[in-house]
Amino acid sequence: EAQVTQNPRYLITVTGKKLTVTCSQNMNHEYMSWYRQDPGLGLRQIYYSMNVEVTDKGDVPEGYKVSRKEKRNFPLILESPSPNQTSLYFCASGPDTEAFFGQGTRLTVV
Amino acid sequence: DAKTTQPPSMDCAEGRAANLPCNHSTISGNEYVYWYRQIHSQGPQYIIHGLKNNETNEMASLIITEDRKSSTLILPHATLRDTAVYYCIDGYSTLTFGKGTMLLVSP
Repeated sequence: EAQVTQNPRYLITVTGKKLTVTCSQNMNHEYMSWYRQDPGLGLRQIYYSMNVEVTDKGDVPEGYKVSRKEKRNFPLILESPSPNQTSLYFCASGPDTEAFFGQGTRLTVV
Repeated sequence: DAKTTQPPSMDCAEGRAANLPCNHSTISGNEYVYWYRQIHSQGPQYIIHGLKNNETNEMASLIITEDRKSSTLILPHATLRDTAVYYCIDGYSTLTFGKGTMLLVSP
């Protein structure tokens, strides 16, 4: 079954404590991306990756890092989280013509 | 920013067809029209896409006008589980989501 798996699903953390949200896909897709969703602002792309070792900024990359060391994994890293990064995060895998999204990670930074 | 325009909300009776409009008047020649939906904070789900021709799959039909400036997503027999936010997106390599249309299907 085609899957995009994010972990954790829920996370509460404190300001400044580094965290990583993992994303894994089993469809051998080259393209993966991260979005955040906030009330009134919709889904906004943070970073995307066209292939292994190829990443680029989306619309709202500030405060985030990503890496793509292998095709199946695309972790999102918050080196020093701040309260304005409290949001619902989605990882996506695949081309625009049929992108698969994970179930989301609800992050709260206090 | 999203380049499409959709009504913020629509209602539909269960079992009836839901017709969701979208304007994409600035779409360029190589850009597709994509439709996704999001059910209550779950990950968005792909529905259908098209370039010029009308398309149909097991979920929905997509009608694109000849000038490609607008399209309509048709759910032929809406069910309660079709209640969701529906996003119309035009693009080539990146999905830029707008605010979408909140479709409420009622008994």
